[in-house]
Amino acid sequence: SQQGEEDPQALSIQEGENATMNCSYKTSINNLQWYRQNSGRGLVHLILIRSNEREKHSGRLRVTLDTSKKSSSLLITASRAADTASYFCATDGGGAQKLVFGQGTRLTINP
Amino acid sequence: GAVVSQHPSWVICKSGTSVKIECRSLDFQATTMFWYRQFPKQSLMLMATSNEGSKATYEQGVEKDKFLINHASLTLSTLTVTSAHPEDSSFYICSANGANYGYTFGSGTRLTVV
Repeated sequence: SQQGEEDPQALSIQEGENATMNCSYKTSINNLQWYRQNSGRGLVHLILIRSNEREKHSGRLRVTLDTSKKSSSLLITASRAADTASYFCATDGGGAQKLVFGQGTRLTINP
Repeated sequence: GAVVSQHPSWVICKSGTSVKIECRSLDFQATTMFWYRQFPKQSLMLMATSNEGSKATYEQGVEKDKFLINHASLTLSTLTVTSAHPEDSSFYICSANGANYGYTFGSGTRLTVV
């Protein structure tokens, strides 16, 4: 089952620009995580934000969480060609001990 | 850090045969393991959750007799795709959850059924 929607489904920007991806979910959560996946490969964990946190930073990444709107955003600043990948949000909670993924955003950084 | 090893990384099999995929937590005990399936350009769909020593819990729409999951120890879970058909071709990813490690993912197995 999918937890919710991510938008945009695909995003193409120039190197150096900022990229913003959004994620919405349906149930209550313990935390929300963002992952990156390069084509045909496994997942790389980027950042975890707990339900009682509103914003978190890690390097060029900034994640926000709005539990009242059941939404989160991932901002990648000063994008690089190596950031080209698919990005997924995943939620843990709602009474179930499992991680459920959003639909994902395919990000392309053009040199 | 926590490492999950998944084998094989890719496999090609003939239609009608069975394929086993292994997922091992190398340096921690995984009380729970999860199996996901991912079709091209789509997200990860949770197939089932397995706890050591008990039967797996399958998500709605996943055939438990086709996707056999065994979680015989705290470090190993296996997914067997029985009587595989071309529509089972997909990317399968496991995840292990340990007490102090959160969710750790394997590198995935690309299954191609011909």
